[in-house]
Amino acid sequence: DAGVIQSPRHEVTEMGQEVTLRCKPISGHNSLFWYRQTMMRGLELLIYFNNNVPIDDSGMPEDRFSAKMPNASFSTLKIQPSEPRDSAVYFCASIISGVADTQYFGPGTRLTVL
Amino acid sequence: RKEVEQDPGPFNVPEGATVAFNCTYSNSASQSFFWYRQDCRKEPKLLMSVYSSGNEDGRFTAQLNRASQYISLLIRDSKLSDSATYLCVVNRGNDMRFGAGTRLTVKP
Repeated sequence: DAGVIQSPRHEVTEMGQEVTLRCKPISGHNSLFWYRQTMMRGLELLIYFNNNVPIDDSGMPEDRFSAKMPNASFSTLKIQPSEPRDSAVYFCASIISGVADTQYFGPGTRLTVL
Repeated sequence: RKEVEQDPGPFNVPEGATVAFNCTYSNSASQSFFWYRQDCRKEPKLLMSVYSSGNEDGRFTAQLNRASQYISLLIRDSKLSDSATYLCVVNRGNDMRFGAGTRLTVKP
């Protein structure tokens, strides 16, 4: 079975550009999470969805960040405009909510904003 | 104060050593607890769940003390392949909170 799929794996962009990160959760998983990891702040939860509905976006840093989940098999995290301090590894994770609480992580997208 | 606190290390130990990691959490409503392992430039992966009664998986033993809000991980007979960062994770419903991780290096 395929695990959580994220794309792109690496992204280098210039400050001010729009960045879109993509995630495909494991089939059958109904909760999806976006995390950001940096050396300084560790792994931070940005937002999570349950059955495609955003449940908690309190971790989203500011209005420049937005996330959508149009269907059960796809989610995006968008940063517009990007800034150098957004440079981090962004992970997507999924779970079967209410059945198991072990999250399965994707390989991450390493974002560098110049 | 962070919700989940870990000693960042690094812990540098020789092969065969026993090493213990500790973690404290602040939210008494936390429901489930885990240790995740993260290799360099890789995603976190579940190592083991942590139960109040304590649980063991081979060379790994995890303990939970709800009264003290404290979690531990013990690694016996450490191997070179145990070198990684170990993340303490506390879950409230679907809201998982990760510690910053403890870095372990096992040396020959």
